[in-house]
Amino acid sequence: DAKTTQPPSMDCAEGRAANLPCNHSTISGNEYVYWYRQIHSQGPQYIIHGLKNNETNEMASLIITEDRKSSTLILPHATLRDTAVYYCIVRQNDYKLSFGAGTTVTVRA
Amino acid sequence: EAGVAQSPRYKIIEKRQSVAFWCNPISGHATLYWYQQILGQGPKLLIQFQNNGVVDDSQLPKDRFSAERLKGVDSTLKIQPAKLEDSAVYLCASSLGGGELFFGEGSRLTVL
Repeated sequence: DAKTTQPPSMDCAEGRAANLPCNHSTISGNEYVYWYRQIHSQGPQYIIHGLKNNETNEMASLIITEDRKSSTLILPHATLRDTAVYYCIVRQNDYKLSFGAGTTVTVRA
Repeated sequence: EAGVAQSPRYKIIEKRQSVAFWCNPISGHATLYWYQQILGQGPKLLIQFQNNGVVDDSQLPKDRFSAERLKGVDSTLKIQPAKLEDSAVYLCASSLGGGELFFGEGSRLTVL
């Protein structure tokens, strides 16, 4: 699996958009970008994934650059319940999911 | 839809004792994973099953850890004998195959 680089932590204000960056410069053509989050004392939760195109669901949007070497997860209106560790993972489908250290996001009132 | 069930939620043992964790995946999910998460780190894959066969156990410390998935449904993860460094949360996850993994709430192990 390609490795990813994420900032260790970031803060954002409640009600504002949170933009979480991820670098994956060694991603290969058949690897997807996945995002999971882990709220304290819970198991990781799937957020979204994509290959080339931008994706949106009820939780977030995923923006992947044209060269696929980086991506941004956007939480459009952050709430206090979005405080969690966010993991960016690149993975071939049906292949193992390998977690890094992630970004600890703190949403402040 | 019922999620991934794990038990026990918490376990405290002394070093050199044994412990077992149980996981019941989401009905119909063929793929089952056990992860170990040490405090402050991301989860690390220990073993992956496809039905009742092992797909990947390259990071499972086989001298003390064992896992089985009889009948391709429930799974148990055993540690014998436990060491201090085994203190962690043990997470079970399941998937239909590819795509999204669904995680349980984990079993927190403290080894004294």
